[in-house]
Amino acid sequence: NAGVTQTPKFQVLKTGQSMTLQCAQDMNHNSMYWYRQDPGMGLRLIYYSASEGTTDKGEVPNGYNVSRLNKREFSLRLESAAPSQTSVYFCASRIPGNTEAFFGQGTRLTVV
Amino acid sequence: RKEVEQDPGPFNVPEGATVAFNCTYSNSASQSFFWYRQDCRKEPKLLMSVYSSGNEDGRFTAQLNRASQYISLLIRDSKLSDSATYLCAVKDDKIIFGKGTRLHILP
Repeated sequence: NAGVTQTPKFQVLKTGQSMTLQCAQDMNHNSMYWYRQDPGMGLRLIYYSASEGTTDKGEVPNGYNVSRLNKREFSLRLESAAPSQTSVYFCASRIPGNTEAFFGQGTRLTVV
Repeated sequence: RKEVEQDPGPFNVPEGATVAFNCTYSNSASQSFFWYRQDCRKEPKLLMSVYSSGNEDGRFTAQLNRASQYISLLIRDSKLSDSATYLCAVKDDKIIFGKGTRLHILP
């Protein structure tokens, strides 16, 4: 039981390149989330998916797109990476109700 | 006003002392509340959920004050291993985190 798995763990991009961050969970959770974490800024919600087939913007969605491919997978795409998107990205999932979120180990992205 | 606010610290506390953090939230319709612990360069992990009547887990006590819209975390008899960043989280239709409070336990 792997929990929430993110790939890749580390990535360096050049400005303007595109990439997709992958997230998969094996806990049969309905809701999935993408956060970014920057020094002094805490965890900021980028996008979330309350259930398969739905996605909603969070606090900082600009420059990102998401796809809820199926119940297990929720990907985050950067179409044209910018240095301001240098961050640590965390994916999380949870079941419905007043339950906690479980996190992946994070993807450290540097845009140069 | 940000949705969830915490004092960023750092709190520098001698080993064995008691330390308390507060976290305020703006959405009175928030449904559930959590404290997470995050170690350096690691993912956040749930420390404890916060229940309306308050709850305790060993040296950790969490309280919720809905009238004043804040939650608190109390750590008694602090250990060196308690050094970490503590994040509060609030759920309405999504989960929003505070910026975290850094705690350093001093030997």
